[in-house]
Amino acid sequence: QQKVQQSPESLTVSEGAMASLNCTFSDRSSDNFRWYRQHSGKGLEVLVSIFSDGEKEEGSFTAHLNRASLHVFLHIREPQPSDSALYLCAVSIRSGGSNAKLTFGKGTKLSVKS
Amino acid sequence: AQTIHQWPVAEIKAVGSPLSLGCTIKGKSSPNLYWYWQATGGTLQQLFYSITVGQVESVVQLNLSASRPKDDQFILSTEKLLLSHSGFYLCAWSLPGGSETLYFGSGTRLTVL
Repeated sequence: QQKVQQSPESLTVSEGAMASLNCTFSDRSSDNFRWYRQHSGKGLEVLVSIFSDGEKEEGSFTAHLNRASLHVFLHIREPQPSDSALYLCAVSIRSGGSNAKLTFGKGTKLSVKS
Repeated sequence: AQTIHQWPVAEIKAVGSPLSLGCTIKGKSSPNLYWYWQATGGTLQQLFYSITVGQVESVVQLNLSASRPKDDQFILSTEKLLLSHSGFYLCAWSLPGGSETLYFGSGTRLTVL
């Protein structure tokens, strides 16, 4: 069964400093990775999707995937206080089936201080 | 543009009482629909998914049921709530297929006392 772990549990950075979040997964067949964020008490907002090794940039968010090491990273460039939220890593396998079943990590709580 | 609306925003219910949570998706025909649940301090886990009207698949058994009475509507319900049902319920939609992005609603906070 897929296990997804995120680190650190919480992270505080100053406004404008790079924030780096880590996600590890256990199933080597995984090939579908997404980063979401959740502001307190709200729904999830998709930030970036990545399907092959390397980097994928969406605005100030860059995902970096290394499937051999079972890691996917999220880097947030010049974060603002409004970026303070819970960041969730979601992993799945593109099996061709009809269920987009995501396995989520517990999240990293990011606080950006001005 | 697609919109997803969940109701209610929050519920406080007694153990043993019934529950009905709803979700409506506008602007997308025949989407896949999902229910996810997040216990306090826990991880999000998928409960149900549906690829078409009238068809719902259960992923995790939590003494809950789901129905899709219309193409754009997904309902989560139970006749008897348990304390363990407390948490945050999220509805999501995606394009058909197993590898599409899930787009989530704003959720319902359920507290069972």
